[in-house]
Amino acid sequence: DIQMTQSPSSLSASVGDRVTITCRASQSISNYLNWYQQKPGKAPKLLIYDASRLQSGVPSGFSGSGSGTDFTLTISSLQPEDFATYYCQQSYSTPYTFGQGTKLEIK
Amino acid sequence: EVQLVESGGGLIQPGGSLRLSCAASGFTFSSHAMSWVRQAPGKGLEWVSTISGGGGTTYYAGSVKGRFTISRDNSKNTLSLQMNSLRVEDTAVYYCAKASGSSWNIFDYWGQGTLVTVSS
Repeated sequence: DIQMTQSPSSLSASVGDRVTITCRASQSISNYLNWYQQKPGKAPKLLIYDASRLQSGVPSGFSGSGSGTDFTLTISSLQPEDFATYYCQQSYSTPYTFGQGTKLEIK
Repeated sequence: EVQLVESGGGLIQPGGSLRLSCAASGFTFSSHAMSWVRQAPGKGLEWVSTISGGGGTTYYAGSVKGRFTISRDNSKNTLSLQMNSLRVEDTAVYYCAKASGSSWNIFDYWGQGTLVTVSS
């Protein structure tokens, strides 16, 4: 199985900050990497797919990059509604594993 | 508008069985793979199973293989998950998720989830 490791596990930041979350795969997954946002008590929401493609309706302040084993999700200027937990997911092979999550909290 | 509505969760004893359903609307159901993803209380996301649009191909996580069966009824726009030999560690919110476009494994819409609690 491909292991997905996110860092940091939690992060405190302020509105307006630029934030970067990292996801590392245990083997190369090309660009088969997706990012989701989840708010408490809600279902996850797709933000980025294929490492860098912005899902329709997602604000342009979100961006993704990377290939192979190392990937990043960047939020250019944090908005109050961005405080949530973020998960990466590899779609390279089954089982389609997720990272452990990064909880983004208000400083 | 895409809608996915899960049902069938509840409290069940270890070793028991439960069948989850997901009613889909707002898209051409038979054209998309569908999946189940679960989340144990306070934990992260775990992919459980995927089924092709036509229903002929299925994949399972190792933790549920041989115990869970995914199926779909394209005439009723319904996805199901039959869960047998349930274990305490199967306790989770179970989400159904639609695959994006022609992919199998990019989940662009999710239901609200249904809670399964396995406990004696």
